[in-house]
Amino acid sequence: GAGVSQSPRYKVAKRGQDVALRCDPISGHVSLFWYQQALGQGPEFLTYFQNEAQLDKSGLPSDRFFAERPEGSVSTLKIQRTQQEDSAVYLCASSMAVGPIYGYTFGSGTRLTVV
Amino acid sequence: DAKTTQPTSMDCAEGRAANLPCNHSTISGNEYVYWYRQIHSQGPQYIIHGLKNNETNEMASLIITEDRKSSTLILPHATLRDTAVYYCIVRVPLGGNQFYFGTGTSLTVIP
Repeated sequence: GAGVSQSPRYKVAKRGQDVALRCDPISGHVSLFWYQQALGQGPEFLTYFQNEAQLDKSGLPSDRFFAERPEGSVSTLKIQRTQQEDSAVYLCASSMAVGPIYGYTFGSGTRLTVV
Repeated sequence: DAKTTQPTSMDCAEGRAANLPCNHSTISGNEYVYWYRQIHSQGPQYIIHGLKNNETNEMASLIITEDRKSSTLILPHATLRDTAVYYCIVRVPLGGNQFYFGTGTSLTVIP
C-alpha cells in the first residue's frame, strides 16, 4: 500500500485480556518501530526491527509486551493481561533504510482502551 | 529523554509565517535536527531535517544557528491545516536510534 497500515484502528479490551495489534509497513521497508503515545504526551519508543531481527526492545514497559516480525514485513505487537495503564495509542513507523536521508513514515495508530 | 526544549503552545494568523523555535544546547556533532508534526488523530508526519546548513523543502524551512544549539522551523504561509503538534528531535542517524519526541509545540493557526 501507499502508507503504513495499522489494525484495528480502535480496540477496547477488558482488563486482563490479551490483545494483538498489527502493523503493515510500506512494502520493502527495512526498519520498523513501535511507539506508545499516552494522552497529551509525545510518542515513546517501544521496540525496533531491522528486517526480521528485533535489535532493540529496551522501551517495552514490561514482559507483558511482546513484538514480532517473523518474515521481515508485517509486525504484531502483543500485550498480555492488559492493564488500565496500557491504554494509549500504539504507533508503528517504517523506513526504507537506515540513515538520515530517510524520514520515517508513521501509521495512524491503534487506540487501545482498557476497561 | 528529550534533548530539546520547545514552547508548549503558539498561535499564528492564517497566511502569516509560523516560526517555531527549538533549543538543543547539548546537541553533539553527529546529531541531526529533525522536525515532525502530528495532526489530531494521525501519526507523526516527517517535515524536514538538517545537520548544520539551513534546509528548505516544499513544506518548510529549517534554520539552524551556527553553534547548532538552537533551530527554527518556518512555515512560510500558515494555513488552517497546519494546526498540529510540532516535534523537534535530535538524533544520531543510525538505524536503530529511536526518536525522542518530547511534548512538542501545539501550533494553532487562527483564521
